[in-house]
Amino acid sequence: DGGITQSPKYLFRKEGQNVTLSCEQNLNHDAMYWYRQDPGQGLRLIYYSQIVNDFQKGDIAEGYSVSREKKESFPLTVTSAQKNPTAFYLCASSINIRTGGGYNEQFFGPGTRLTVL
Amino acid sequence: QKEVEQNSGPLSVPEGAIASLNCTYSDRGSQSFFWYRQYSGKSPELIMFIYSNGDKEDGRFTAQLNKASQYVSLLIRDSQPSDSATYLCAVYSGGYQKVTFGTGTKLQVIP
Repeated sequence: DGGITQSPKYLFRKEGQNVTLSCEQNLNHDAMYWYRQDPGQGLRLIYYSQIVNDFQKGDIAEGYSVSREKKESFPLTVTSAQKNPTAFYLCASSINIRTGGGYNEQFFGPGTRLTVL
Repeated sequence: QKEVEQNSGPLSVPEGAIASLNCTYSDRGSQSFFWYRQYSGKSPELIMFIYSNGDKEDGRFTAQLNKASQYVSLLIRDSQPSDSATYLCAVYSGGYQKVTFGTGTKLQVIP
């Protein structure tokens, strides 16, 4: 089955601790994204990557870091510099519009719910 | 700042009725438009996308696009209680632009 997986489903972080959220896809998509969703709010873009070894900041990148060493994987680290990290984190992927055509429809993983203790 | 506006709702409709969800966007250069359904506590699921003016139908769902009015809507015919969810509108402006999401409209289908 093709799809996007995220782990863990639930994550608890202590003050001052860095945590890493995993995102893997086997859809052969070039582009991957990380969003944050707070209760009653829309999706806010944290980071995105169009190709391997390249990524760009989104609207709320402060306190987060990413890497894109493999096409299939786009992990997100929530650092201690992120002062209010409690949220629902969503990873998505899409065909790279430059190489694969399409209309940039994005498909989402199941999400990770992060809570600060 | 490119914006996508949706009424937060809740929009309540009786079972079997037509639910009409609306979305306006600010960027006239927008190229493609998406509707996602999000159940409480779950991730968004793509249900429709449209890129040409007019209507696009898929089962009980119809997406309508009017680029001159910068307006996109989603109609759900024969609404079912299982359609109760938040519906997110998203807009893509082409090239390496990001996809911009609205804050969503909560739909409640009353049995």
